[in-house]
Amino acid sequence: AQSVAQPEDQVNVAEGNPLTVKCTYSVSGNPYLFWYVQYPNRGLQFLLKYITGDNLVKGSYGFEAEFNKSQTSFHLKKPSALVSDSALYFCAVRDGDTGRRALTFGSGTRLQVQP
Amino acid sequence: DTGVSQNPRHKITKRGQNVTFRCDPISEHNRLYWYRQTLGQGPEFLTYFQNEAQLEKSRLLSDRFSAERPKGSFSTLEIQRTEQGDSAMYLCASSRATGLDTQYFGPGTRLTVL
Repeated sequence: AQSVAQPEDQVNVAEGNPLTVKCTYSVSGNPYLFWYVQYPNRGLQFLLKYITGDNLVKGSYGFEAEFNKSQTSFHLKKPSALVSDSALYFCAVRDGDTGRRALTFGSGTRLQVQP
Repeated sequence: DTGVSQNPRHKITKRGQNVTFRCDPISEHNRLYWYRQTLGQGPEFLTYFQNEAQLEKSRLLSDRFSAERPKGSFSTLEIQRTEQGDSAMYLCASSRATGLDTQYFGPGTRLTVL
């Protein structure tokens, strides 16, 4: 079985400050990890993914994420937050060692960036 | 890429009625996925196709739900005898047929069952 935990329902940060949105995962095999963002009344937009290689992954809109195997974490980060980053963020995982394609998502973290 | 499209965007129906949603994937994508998202939750996987073959089905996909992709292009998701618990956002995604595929999502169809 695979699972994702996003321990914070909401993260508040001031514009210009660094932000972190936390994610921990559980999977039997090799983790394939993803971050998506969802704006109101819209589908999910892909931000970045970790498959293998460098533990620091860079993605769209200045976001990056750090894979930590020992802590089974994949936290999303951005050095300087923008008001327009305010949205709902989802972490997802699938087991890369199986042929299954289903993603398992966390419950989401609402990011609020204050001007 | 023109993106994944879904129709309709909103559907309101009465309990007991049947509904059908359509998803058109990104044109060169062989894989197509359906997820359901309820308020305050992350998306939950329902089913997945590679071309016209349905390769995975979740236990969430009860016998009232059926998905098809007859020609390996667009897909339909039908819910028979809708219940109020079926009210949710139904999301479609598509990806290339590679091992490291990324799923790209459409805007979703919001179903409200009265």
